[in-house]
Amino acid sequence: GAGVSQSPRYKVAKRGQDVALRCDPISGHVSLFWYQQALGQGPEFLTYFQNEAQLDKSGLPSDRFFAERPEGSVSTLKIQRTQQEDSAVYLCASPKGQGTRSNQPQHFGDGTRLSIL
Amino acid sequence: LAKTTQPISMDSYEGQEVNITCSHNNIATNDYITWYQQFPSQGPRFIIQGYKTKVTNEVASLFIPADRKSSTLSLPRVSLSDTAVYYCLVGLGAAGNKLTFGGGTRVLVKP
Repeated sequence: GAGVSQSPRYKVAKRGQDVALRCDPISGHVSLFWYQQALGQGPEFLTYFQNEAQLDKSGLPSDRFFAERPEGSVSTLKIQRTQQEDSAVYLCASPKGQGTRSNQPQHFGDGTRLSIL
Repeated sequence: LAKTTQPISMDSYEGQEVNITCSHNNIATNDYITWYQQFPSQGPRFIIQGYKTKVTNEVASLFIPADRKSSTLSLPRVSLSDTAVYYCLVGLGAAGNKLTFGGGTRVLVKP
């Protein structure tokens, strides 16, 4: 597609439920990033994929957070046993262009706003 | 990644030029400076990137002094639609390199 697409745009879940957030990156993009943005804050890095390999997951806040990208295209961020502090906007991004050249700005989707009740 | 410091907020009026300065004293030799714009309910959008001196595109200009310890984003003749949060980032900021956002600068353009 022309841009990064994320779904759903909004998700409301009860505390303790599992949720799955989807990211469709720009076609052919090798790299994919997930960020978490709390209200009034800048986005914070969660995890990074290069094709299907998850090369960096240092930003995942707990073992309840799990991300995958099995075929190197669509990625899913899963949060198990959700807590209220998980409420945030979850953003997906991939660099413009193909390959892994440095200095290519990241292109963001509009995010999924997750609200945990 | 180098830490950045930028004003929390700025007010301006339509038609004025807005200049946002970002400090990044610990910028590394290989780091680039990148600015993103974010509107409510949208993801950050790339505005401009530079390494040194001056970069200009159809949206903004980026001024970087010789020591590269700061940079200034210049938005010419702003309109109400330029009301947004502007983030300054330093780093390789690209494929394989996670972005580190600060709190950004909230720019409010008034009529």
